[in-house]
Amino acid sequence: KNEVEQSPQNLTAQEGEFITINCSYSVGISALHWLQQHPGGGIVSLFMLSSGKKKHGRLIATINIQEKHSSLHITASHPRDSAVYICAVTNTGKLIFGQGTTLQVKP
Amino acid sequence: EADIYQTPRYLVIGTGKKITLECSQTMGHDKMYWYQQDPGMELHLIHYSYGVNSTEKGDLSSESTVSRIRTEHFPLTLESARPSHTSQYLCASRAGTGVSGELFFGEGSRLTVL
Repeated sequence: KNEVEQSPQNLTAQEGEFITINCSYSVGISALHWLQQHPGGGIVSLFMLSSGKKKHGRLIATINIQEKHSSLHITASHPRDSAVYICAVTNTGKLIFGQGTTLQVKP
Repeated sequence: EADIYQTPRYLVIGTGKKITLECSQTMGHDKMYWYQQDPGMELHLIHYSYGVNSTEKGDLSSESTVSRIRTEHFPLTLESARPSHTSQYLCASRAGTGVSGELFFGEGSRLTVL
């Protein structure tokens, strides 16, 4: 079992839908990162969380330390949100990545 | 905007050549990482560094080396390139722990070995 598990692996949505991507981890962490990678592109950091909730535009990230679970929400999704979303945790200085969630938003 | 740069962005070379992929960051970050990523696949850690003169091997390190002589510079060297090295190589950096630990990635170096 991977130390960082994401679900779903693939997600297709219609434009305007509310989207949730989940991340569960089994190790102790100092922080959790949500990253975005567009096809053929580099990786961009969306959020870094150690507790609670953060919001940036249409993106919201939450983390529950006790349950070892984080969610990334996208409100009013748009085709430009189509990308791979990656959850990563920092554990004793190392980064552990989830396998990524491929999101496609159709117009 | 991230201040982490990789060169070259694209490279096509023949088998057996020695290559160095460059990564530089101007944010003064201590922690730097090299990852290999095949299309549509997960990131695999090759090497990482926690500061000057500190380097550690990751999961895929056996055919490459790194150095960290200066904080801002973390080059990755393949001594003898093979077609199996064809992939995208991503460099990342991160400050210490806590709120300053946000991740920054370079644009990537896409390597093709013929």
